[in-house]
Amino acid sequence: DIVMTQSPDSLAVSLGERATFNCKSSQSVLYSDNNKNYLAWYQQKPGQPPKLLIYWASTRESGVPDRFSGSGSGTDFTLTISSLQAEDVAVYYCHQYYNTPHTFGQGTKLEI
Amino acid sequence: EVQVLESGGGLVQPGGSLRLSCAASGFTFSTYAMSWVRQAPGKGLEWVSDISGSGDSTNYAQSVKGRFTISRDNSENMLNLQMNSLRAEDTAVYHCAKKGCTGTTCYLNYWGQGTLVTVSS
Repeated sequence: DIVMTQSPDSLAVSLGERATFNCKSSQSVLYSDNNKNYLAWYQQKPGQPPKLLIYWASTRESGVPDRFSGSGSGTDFTLTISSLQAEDVAVYYCHQYYNTPHTFGQGTKLEI
Repeated sequence: EVQVLESGGGLVQPGGSLRLSCAASGFTFSTYAMSWVRQAPGKGLEWVSDISGSGDSTNYAQSVKGRFTISRDNSENMLNLQMNSLRAEDTAVYHCAKKGCTGTTCYLNYWGQGTLVTVSS
């Protein structure tokens, strides 16, 4: 199984500042045939289901503010919030869908 | 508007069975693979199972293989999860989720609110 490890476990950032989340996979999730990284990021606010933010490691889902961006390839990935807003308080999860079983990171809790 | 709405959760004794359902709307259901993902109270996300759009391909987490069965009725736009031999560690909110692609090797772009399954005597 591919193990997804996120860091840090929790993060406190001031409003307007940058927030950076890291995700490392135990093996590459880059499929060479199409040069796509099978990696997604989700945001989960309390009492709500997860919401897709980023897929293919760097493609922003429709309707997601452009302050959210994803980067990385192979085994190391980053989600960045360029200027933190109060509504961004949530837990953020990375997810590999390269192979079965699809696995999630343990989550990073973002606080103001 | 895409919507997925789960039902069927509840309290069940260890060893018991439960059938979850997910009603989908707002998209061509038969085109997209679907998944079940669970979240134990206060814990992270765990993928449980997925099924192709046609229903002819399924995958399961090792923790539920042989006990859970995923199925779909494309004529009714319904996704199901039959859960047998339930254990305390199956206690979780079960989310139905739509894949963003036709195949199962894909991200999850719409999630339901979830239905709570509690396994306890």
